[in-house]
Amino acid sequence: DAGVTQSPTHLIKTRGQHVTLRCSPISGHKSVSWYQQVLGQGPQFIFQYYEKEERGRGNFPDRFSARQFPNYSSELNVNALLLGDSALYLCASSLQGAGGNTIYFGEGSWLTVV
Amino acid sequence: AQSVTQLGSHVSVSEGALVLLRCNYSSSVPPYLFWYVQYPNQGLQLLLKYTTGATLVKGINGFEAEFKKSETSFHLTKPSAHMSDAAEYFCAVSQGGSQGNLIFGKGTKLSVKP
Repeated sequence: DAGVTQSPTHLIKTRGQHVTLRCSPISGHKSVSWYQQVLGQGPQFIFQYYEKEERGRGNFPDRFSARQFPNYSSELNVNALLLGDSALYLCASSLQGAGGNTIYFGEGSWLTVV
Repeated sequence: AQSVTQLGSHVSVSEGALVLLRCNYSSSVPPYLFWYVQYPNQGLQLLLKYTTGATLVKGINGFEAEFKKSETSFHLTKPSAHMSDAAEYFCAVSQGGSQGNLIFGKGTKLSVKP
């Protein structure tokens, strides 16, 4: 079975631009989460979605938004990119998103803002 | 609020030696605890998790961790290090209930010397 898949794997954007990152969860998983991992740090939680509803949001500005589609795939949007948004963006999926559920991560999307 | 502290940003051991990576957590509710491994330029792979029950948890690749509530610790060990264990290791905690997002430590980079 396919794991969590993300696209694109690498991208370079200019300050002020907008970016959309995409994620397909493991088949049967209904919860998708997004994390930002800055070089040398642990991942930071951005959003969690379950059954197309936002279940949780981390401490990120409103420039960050996300949504989940009926097929449970998800996209993360970041507007007005800043240099500090350069990071690895990880998508994760789990069966129900509840505490204790095993969370599986994709390989990530490397975003460089210049 | 929950938090995770990983003691030692970098640990170096010889091949065949004991691996001990330290993790302490703070949580106002019984936590769910996880260890993930990240190889260079890759996503996160689950090593093991503790939810309830037996406090000694066995994971993949010969790793295990013990949940010690009195010490608020969840240290990761492996009796004999292998060169392929060189990677970054992250300890994470999640709360119970419907919001299962992970809070990560800053990570410990493990080097294995021949």
